Amino acid sequence: AQSVTQLDSHVSVSEGTPVLLRCNYSSSYSPSLFWYVQHPNKGLQLLLKYTSAATLVKGINGFEAEFKKSETSFHLTKPSAHMSDAAEYFCVVSAQRAGTASKLTFGTGTRLQVTL
Amino acid sequence: DVKVTQSSRYLVKRTGEKVFLECVQDMDHENMFWYRQDPGLGLRLIYFSYDVKMKEKGDIPEGYSVSREKKERFSLILESASTNQTSMYLCASSLLVGLAVNTDTQYFGPGTRLTVL
Repeated sequence: AQSVTQLDSHVSVSEGTPVLLRCNYSSSYSPSLFWYVQHPNKGLQLLLKYTSAATLVKGINGFEAEFKKSETSFHLTKPSAHMSDAAEYFCVVSAQRAGTASKLTFGTGTRLQVTL
Repeated sequence: DVKVTQSSRYLVKRTGEKVFLECVQDMDHENMFWYRQDPGLGLRLIYFSYDVKMKEKGDIPEGYSVSREKKERFSLILESASTNQTSMYLCASSLLVGLAVNTDTQYFGPGTRLTVL
C-alpha cells in the first residue's frame, strides 16, 4: 500500500521569498516520487522526479526537492518565488512490488499563492 | 513535445445520458490513463490501459467503462451519467512498460470539465 500527505492545502508567500511545500509519503517498497504543477485551466506538468538516484533533485523553473528516507518526506522548495509560480502543486508516489503494474497515488494538492 | 488532447474542455449533460470523453496522444505511448479531479481529493485513477484492447480498473471504476481500439486513442464512457459524476476529467499517457512504468513521467491533457444536471 502507498499513500501521500500534503501537509498544507494552501500556502501564501510574497514574491521574492522562499517557497516550501511539504509532502510526506508511505510505501511498502522503494518509492519513486514526483511533483507535478497545474496552472489554472491547464493539465498537469511534471516539475521533477526522484527515482532512487541522487536524493536532491532539481526540476524546472528553479524548483528542487530532497528525498529523506528517514523522515519519509519529499518537500518541494524554491529560493525565490515568482508571480508565475502561483498554481496548484501535487506530490505523487509510485511504489510497486516487482512484477506488478505500477500505479500513481496523488496527494490532495497545495495551492500556492504569490503576492506582491 | 508530447501532446495529449481531449475532445472537449467543457461539457454539460443530463442525468441518464450516455457520455463519451475522448483522449488522443501523438507520441506512440503504450500507456493511457483516465483520472477524475475533485477539490480536496486530488486525482483519482478511474481506469488505465497498457496496450490496445487491454484495460485495468483503477481506484474508482464504478459507473465508468473505457475503450482502447487504437493505440493513440482512449475513451472514457459514462453509461448513464449521474450528478455525482460532475467533475474534472484528466487523461494522461506514458511511454514505458514493465517495471520501468513505476518511474515514468505521465503527460496530461488539459482536462474536460463535465457537469451533469
